[in-house]
Amino acid sequence: ETGVTQSPTHLIKTRGQQVTLRCSSQSGHNTVSWYQQALGQGPQFIFQYYREEENGRGNFPPRFSGLQFPNYSSELNVNALELDDSALYLCASSDSGRADEQYFGPGTRLTVT
Amino acid sequence: LAKTTQPISMDSYEGQEVNITCSHNNIATNDYITWYQQFPSQGPRFIIQGYKTKVTNEVASLFIPADRKSSTLSLPRVSLSDTAVYYCLVGDTNAGKSTFGDGTTLTVKP
Repeated sequence: ETGVTQSPTHLIKTRGQQVTLRCSSQSGHNTVSWYQQALGQGPQFIFQYYREEENGRGNFPPRFSGLQFPNYSSELNVNALELDDSALYLCASSDSGRADEQYFGPGTRLTVT
Repeated sequence: LAKTTQPISMDSYEGQEVNITCSHNNIATNDYITWYQQFPSQGPRFIIQGYKTKVTNEVASLFIPADRKSSTLSLPRVSLSDTAVYYCLVGDTNAGKSTFGDGTTLTVKP
């Protein structure tokens, strides 16, 4: 059984640029959620995808967008990067039948300068 | 969304039992209570989940009183490797209806 993987591990971008982060869900999981975790804080829910459709969104602006593919992998896109977007971005997959039991990837550390 | 309140930090010694309590006064009827563990530079790891009374697995127990307005994660005989941040979540993660708080930093000392 393959766990949740994310790429890249680290990324440095300049304010105003765009970034795409990628996530491969655990085998058999059809639901993917994305979280932003600032230093010293808990993860904040960005949005969730279920069978390629957005299935809920947290309090994040539209410049945060996502996709889920037929193989249930997912992308998080952030446009017009701001300094405050610097954070650890976590992807979590789950089985729709056990939606509360999420399996997290190691995250992508994004630094915006 | 149900708001959770946990102690910011706790200290313990190896071999002791540790109990971390989470308050969630506005928990909804359909909400579950889930606990995660997070080590530095890693994603959170699912520990245990419950709805009411007591749940036990190979790593922890979860105690939930009848009113469900709080829950207690119990870690038996902690070791140094249990040093981590522990998060309590309340809600239905289906459609993002649950929120991580700031967690409890547990430090286990020799």
